[in-house]
Amino acid sequence: DAKTTQPNSMESNEEEPVHLPCNHSTISGTDYIHWYRQLPSQGPEYVIHGLTSNVNNRMASLAIAEDRKSSTLILHRATLRDAAVYYCILRAPGTGNQFYFGTGTSLTVIP
Amino acid sequence: DGGITQSPKYLFRKEGQNVTLSCEQNLNHDAMYWYRQDPGQGLRLIYYSQIVNDFQKGDIAEGYSVSREKKESFPLTVTSAQKNPTAFYLCASGKAGVGEQYFGPGTRLTVT
Repeated sequence: DAKTTQPNSMESNEEEPVHLPCNHSTISGTDYIHWYRQLPSQGPEYVIHGLTSNVNNRMASLAIAEDRKSSTLILHRATLRDAAVYYCILRAPGTGNQFYFGTGTSLTVIP
Repeated sequence: DGGITQSPKYLFRKEGQNVTLSCEQNLNHDAMYWYRQDPGQGLRLIYYSQIVNDFQKGDIAEGYSVSREKKESFPLTVTSAQKNPTAFYLCASGKAGVGEQYFGPGTRLTVT
């Protein structure tokens, strides 16, 4: 299975944009890029996913490099409630639907 | 409200006892999953099921068992064969394909 690499931790000031990077150099042509986040002692929460084109939803934006070897999750204005561990995950169709989580990026939002 | 429920939130057991964790969903999802999370670590897949009466082992299935007799339910049994059962257990469900997974609130199991 293709792996992802994320920084262990990042900090952001409140109300500023946050760019969370993810490298996935071994991504295959059919792998979707998913992002989830997890608050302490809670289950992960879906954030966004995409295949090739950039994606936007009410929570965030996903920017996917043209070669698809990296992607960036963009939180447009960080709030204290965005402090969480963010996971970047690749998921291929037909693999039983399972996700493979790494250790993610722990985001600290500074008031 | 639609969602996934896990019970109980906290569970304490003595070593050598089997324990069953509950997971129920009313989202009409075909696929269900069990993950384990240890402190400071990511999630690791224990078992998953894509359809009723069928399930597959994940990366760390040893010492665990599951059943999928109903679409809505996917209970996980932590057996006495699991050497380090103390962990945070998360259940998830999703549609077939590449859509998102929906997670329950988790059960924190402590075995002493």
